[in-house]
Amino acid sequence: EIVLAQSPGTLSLSPGDRATLSCRASQTIRNNYLAWYQQRAGQAPRLLIYDTSTRATGVPDRFSGSGSGSDFTLTISRLEPEDVAVYYCQQYDNPPTTFGQGTRLEIK
Amino acid sequence: EVQLVESGGGSVQRGGSLRLSCAASGFAFSSHGMSWARQAPGGRLEWVSGIPSIPTGGGDTYYADSVRGRFTISRDNTRNTLYLQMSDLRADDTALYFCAREIAPRGIPILDYWGQGSLVTVSS
Repeated sequence: EIVLAQSPGTLSLSPGDRATLSCRASQTIRNNYLAWYQQRAGQAPRLLIYDTSTRATGVPDRFSGSGSGSDFTLTISRLEPEDVAVYYCQQYDNPPTTFGQGTRLEIK
Repeated sequence: EVQLVESGGGSVQRGGSLRLSCAASGFAFSSHGMSWARQAPGGRLEWVSGIPSIPTGGGDTYYADSVRGRFTISRDNTRNTLYLQMSDLRADDTALYFCAREIAPRGIPILDYWGQGSLVTVSS
C-alpha cells in the first residue's frame, strides 16, 4: 500500500499569498495518478485536481498541480478567504487507492 | 445537477449490521463507477469499496483490506442506487460514510462528486 505524507500539517497565510502544499509518496506513482481534494469544514470533499495537473470542472485556475515520481505539489495562488479548508492528496496508481493525512490551510 | 444522498446510517452495537444506500440523480448512473469512502471523526479519508458501472458479477468489486469479507458493495442501475451492506461491525468502523461518483466507468477511483455522508457509530 502506498503511504502518502503531506506537509506541512497546518499552513497559515494571508489573503493574496501563494500556498504550496506537498504530498510525498512512499513509492513512485506511475502515470501521474495523483489527485487533490478540498474539504471545507462540515462539507464533503471536492475534487480539485486529477492526473497530477488536470483541474476538475469549475475549479479556478488559481489552483494548480505539479510533480512526478514520488513528490507532488498543489499550489494555490492569490489566496482567498474561501480557500480555508483541509486539502488531501490521493494516489490511484496502486490499489488500494490511498489518501494523505491532509494539510489544513488557515487564512490570517 | 449531480446529487448523491446517503441514508441508512445510525448507531449499532459491535458485531451488528447496517445497510447504507446512496440515491443518485442528475447524471447517467449506469455510466459511472461508484465508490464508498469513510472518514473517522477528525481523521483522514479512507477509501472503502468500489464497483464498476455495470458489474459482471465476476469478482469485479473492490474492497479495502480493513473491510473485505465484512462489507458488500452493490448497485441497482434501474433504481439509480448504490448500496453498502456492512456486517460484523467494529468500533473502528465508526465514521462518516460517503458515497462518491467515479469519473470513469471502471477502475479509476477519481471521485468527482461526493454525497454529504451518513454517520455510522459502532458501540461496544
